[in-house]
Amino acid sequence: QSVLTQPPSVSGAPGQRVTISCTGSSSNIGAGYDVHWYQQLPGTAPKLLIYSNSNRPSGVPDRFSGSKSGTSASLAITGLQAEDEADYYCQSYDSSLGGVFGGGTKLTVL
Amino acid sequence: QLQLQESGPGLVKPSETLSLTCTVSGGSISSSNYYWGWIRQPPGKGLEWFGSIYYSGITYYSPSLKSRVTISVDTSKNQFSLKLSSVTASDTAVYYCARQLWGGYLRNIDYWGQGTLVTVSS
Repeated sequence: QSVLTQPPSVSGAPGQRVTISCTGSSSNIGAGYDVHWYQQLPGTAPKLLIYSNSNRPSGVPDRFSGSKSGTSASLAITGLQAEDEADYYCQSYDSSLGGVFGGGTKLTVL
Repeated sequence: QLQLQESGPGLVKPSETLSLTCTVSGGSISSSNYYWGWIRQPPGKGLEWFGSIYYSGITYYSPSLKSRVTISVDTSKNQFSLKLSSVTASDTAVYYCARQLWGGYLRNIDYWGQGTLVTVSS
């Protein structure tokens, strides 16, 4: 069981908006540690999508956005496209466990 | 452009030690503010962080794996390595090496290797 909890799956139609939640605790997200998001396409290494809660690396479309509040964080994807179908992982730091990941969320574009 | 490449045996016998090396090119492993880490992903499952090392040798390990894991660095070769002892079938996974930002604590991973599948089987 992962330290950060994500829904196993989400889905949406092209053009729609979806959100993926990442719930932690007082020893990680709630302690103020930043949350980062990765996109993993099938058969490839994860790619940094959002860093430090809400920042996009160069080249990541502004359709992707992140937020954090309390012990949780969220990734939002607007204008859903077929190419967004992938697994998404949140990651943070835990004061006892070190680096921690969420269990991952599979996004299906209907 | 920074590149990371994992290398090592793709098949390891149960109870033996898994050894992987990550070669960094396009940049120096001695860069300030970056740690170098290992993450694995069992088939069909999620990501698990092993630990990370600074070029000076400072390490952070996952408590659940700490008793079996050793991460080391060789700055002269621009490489870092992973050793996982007493492996079992549950250690079968794709192993990734990665660069992780340090900002008072371990932060985001900005570069990943392509990953290498290691199967534990007799």
